[in-house]
Amino acid sequence: NAGVTQTPKFQVLKTGQSMTLQCAQDMNHEYMSWYRQDPGMGLRLIHYSVGAGITDQGEVPNGYNVSRSTTEDFPLRLLSAAPSQTSVYFCASSWGGRGNTIYFGEGSWLTVV
Amino acid sequence: KNEVEQSPQNLTAQEGEFITINCSYSVGISALHWLQQHPGGGIVSLFMLSSGKKKHGRLIATINIQEKHSSLHITASHPRDSAVYICAVLSPGNYGQNFVFGPGTRLSVLP
Repeated sequence: NAGVTQTPKFQVLKTGQSMTLQCAQDMNHEYMSWYRQDPGMGLRLIHYSVGAGITDQGEVPNGYNVSRSTTEDFPLRLLSAAPSQTSVYFCASSWGGRGNTIYFGEGSWLTVV
Repeated sequence: KNEVEQSPQNLTAQEGEFITINCSYSVGISALHWLQQHPGGGIVSLFMLSSGKKKHGRLIATINIQEKHSSLHITASHPRDSAVYICAVLSPGNYGQNFVFGPGTRLSVLP
């Protein structure tokens, strides 16, 4: 059982380039989300989805785009990378509801130069 | 003021010691999660609490809703417990993943 799979694990981008971080889960979870983790700060929510075709913004959505065409996949797109987007990105999924375990991907380390 | 605070920020212990990590939050919540992040970066869920106390092996988590406080205890600590421990809260009526995370407590257990 793969759980939550994120790719790539490491990426270096030049300012202005675009890229997509991939996230897939094989647990048929309703809820998927993207977080970024910066030194000295807690994880912050970028975008989330409560089901296929439904997405919404989190705390720090600017510069990022998401879509959810299938239950399994929730890609995060950086439209025009900026050095401020250098961070570690985590995808997560769960059944939703307050009592359910949340599963995280292994993280994607992104550096924008 | 951060909505979720943790203490201490960093903790170094000797193998075998009893460890306590604290989490305080300023908002009403429906659930609180404790997460563990290992040096390689992966994050795993340890506990979900909405009241009382839970125990898994050497780990114990408690929550006091009235005082807006939770603790994570590790008994007989071991070097493999070295990790960052993160507290995350879910506000009432929020059934998604709109968690608010604490900054984490970095634990090092020395042999």
